[in-house]
Amino acid sequence: GAGVSQSPSNKVTEKGKDVELRCDPISGHTALYWYRQRLGQGLEFLIYFQGNSAPDKSGLPSDRFSAERTGESVSTLTIQRTQQEDSAVYLCASSHRTRGGGELFFGEGSRLTVL
Amino acid sequence: GESVGLHLPTLSVQEGDNSIINCAYSNSASDYFIWYKQESGKGPQFIMDIRSNMDKRQGQRVTVLLNKTVKHLSLQIAATQPGDSAVYFCAESSRDDKIIFGKGTRLHILP
Repeated sequence: GAGVSQSPSNKVTEKGKDVELRCDPISGHTALYWYRQRLGQGLEFLIYFQGNSAPDKSGLPSDRFSAERTGESVSTLTIQRTQQEDSAVYLCASSHRTRGGGELFFGEGSRLTVL
Repeated sequence: GESVGLHLPTLSVQEGDNSIINCAYSNSASDYFIWYKQESGKGPQFIMDIRSNMDKRQGQRVTVLLNKTVKHLSLQIAATQPGDSAVYFCAESSRDDKIIFGKGTRLHILP
């Protein structure tokens, strides 16, 4: 498709399990961002990639969270040993972005529920 | 996580009136600002951006104002319509390309 694609759209898991969330950015977009959005709240920055390099990982909440990106394509966000506080919508966005500008195109998000 | 601050969580506006959504930011190094609209169950959508060398950008019904002196950003929507109902986020960025979003303001349109 032409837009940012995220999968799964919904994931219910048990506390302590690992989950992997996938993001397919728009073809040709060099920048890719991950955000977390808890119910009724704003977007919390997690990590961004320029190509397959992650210049800033400071937003990752704990060492249970990790992300990787293959070239300028698919990215996966992995949460190990999930906790109930990890329940949220995880949003991915991509951009042509160069320094100082560029619109973010968001996917529909992956809703994670940890029981 | 980091976030830009917003003054009002909910704004109710009569259909046809103008809406003004405000945002305060704290990072003096930020030089690029963006407004996004998020409808229920969807990802945010770009509305308009403004760079720090400008103080105003105007679209068809939308105006963005930037006051760097007091670190304040606003989004003005003229003749508000039911389709404008959404949560609006401001976001800021500096040269490191990290984009930080505010907590959001829900715009509720009264019939």
